[in-house]
Amino acid sequence: QKEVEQNSGPLSVPEGAIASLNCTYSDRVSQSFFWYRQYSGKSPELIMSIYSNGDKEDGRFTAQLNKASQYVSLLIRDSQPSDSATYLCAAQDSGTYKYIFGTGTRLKVLA
Amino acid sequence: DAEITQSPRHKITETGRQVTLACHQTWNHNNMFWYRQDLGHGLRLIHYSYGVQDTNKGEVSDGYSVSRSNTEDLPLTLESAASSQTSVYFCASSESGSGETQYFGPGTRLLVL
Repeated sequence: QKEVEQNSGPLSVPEGAIASLNCTYSDRVSQSFFWYRQYSGKSPELIMSIYSNGDKEDGRFTAQLNKASQYVSLLIRDSQPSDSATYLCAAQDSGTYKYIFGTGTRLKVLA
Repeated sequence: DAEITQSPRHKITETGRQVTLACHQTWNHNNMFWYRQDLGHGLRLIHYSYGVQDTNKGEVSDGYSVSRSNTEDLPLTLESAASSQTSVYFCASSESGSGETQYFGPGTRLLVL
């Protein structure tokens, strides 16, 4: 059973701080990884995707991938109360192209 | 703009009834997916399709069925609704291939009494 694991949280950070969200996956052949944000009562929306080892930056968001350690992370700089949401990590199965989701980490940014 | 729509957005039904949830996408994506989301379980895959006339079972497919007669639609049918199927249901679609983003519909909240 291929799995993606996340700490459920809540992760509480003060406004303006860096929030660090982590994810591990069990399938060594997964090549594509995604971070989704989900507000309460809403559907998931894509924040970032990452396919290569290293960092990928987009505005206040940085995704980090380490395939050797099977580890993906998302950093949110200058966290805002509007960033308060559940963040879902997903890995794409390279064989079937299905997406395997973690259970999500709830982030609370305190004003 | 391309989008995914789901209907109804909210549904209350009784145990034993057949229920169909609609999903329609205008992205022209080949791949479509149905998930259910429950507290503590995250998104769990029910069924998925890679194209017209193609359907596949996901990890929690018992009691559900889908059919794909065109590119745009993948309706999900609960053949005989059970209280354990009370959940939020999300439809998603993506282009074929590795690294393609999944786009989600707004969800359907289903209550089975």
